[in-house]
Amino acid sequence: RKEVEQDPGPFNVPEGATVAFNCTYSNSASQSFFWYRQDCRKEPKLLMSVYSSGNEDGRFTAQLNRASQYISLLIRDSKLSDSATYLCVVNRVNYGQNFVFGPGTRLSVLP
Amino acid sequence: DADVTQTPRNRITKTGKRIMLECSQTKGHDRMYWYRQDPGLGLRLIYYSFDVKDINKGEISDGYSVSRQAQAKFSLSLESAIPNQTALYFCATSGRDRVGNEQFFGPGTRLTVL
Repeated sequence: RKEVEQDPGPFNVPEGATVAFNCTYSNSASQSFFWYRQDCRKEPKLLMSVYSSGNEDGRFTAQLNRASQYISLLIRDSKLSDSATYLCVVNRVNYGQNFVFGPGTRLSVLP
Repeated sequence: DADVTQTPRNRITKTGKRIMLECSQTKGHDRMYWYRQDPGLGLRLIYYSFDVKDINKGEISDGYSVSRQAQAKFSLSLESAIPNQTALYFCATSGRDRVGNEQFFGPGTRLTVL
């Protein structure tokens, strides 16, 4: 079992749809959580950090459930420009290989 | 100007050649990382360094070596390139190991080994 797992995807949704991404992690020592976005053949870029209280940035909402070791990302009113691969990332602070990446879920928003 | 730069951006080479990929950063971060990404697969860690005198193997270090020449520079070498090392390579940096610090990535180097 991988340490960080995500929905396999791909997700193909129409413009304006709401789409949810799910991520689970197995190491309870994980302390920081992130969603990164990666466009085709480009570098991953931070979309948002995920806090225990949940956080929102415009159309994007991230949630963390430490008890279930589960992270989610919700995109509302999806745009064509949201098409990308979304990577779930956890940081096991004070571990050697501290950042652990999920395999990613590809999203295509269709006109 | 980009905070994390990689050179070259694209490279085509032949089996058996020695290749060096370079990474520089202006973020002042102590921690630097090298990853490879293959189509349909996630990022896999090759090597990481937490300061100039610290080098650690990642999950797929065989066939690779690194050099941390300075805080701002971290190079990845393929001593004798082979075709299955064809991939997209990313350098990344991060600040001190504390809750909330994220990684920053360079633009990547696309390497093709023929």
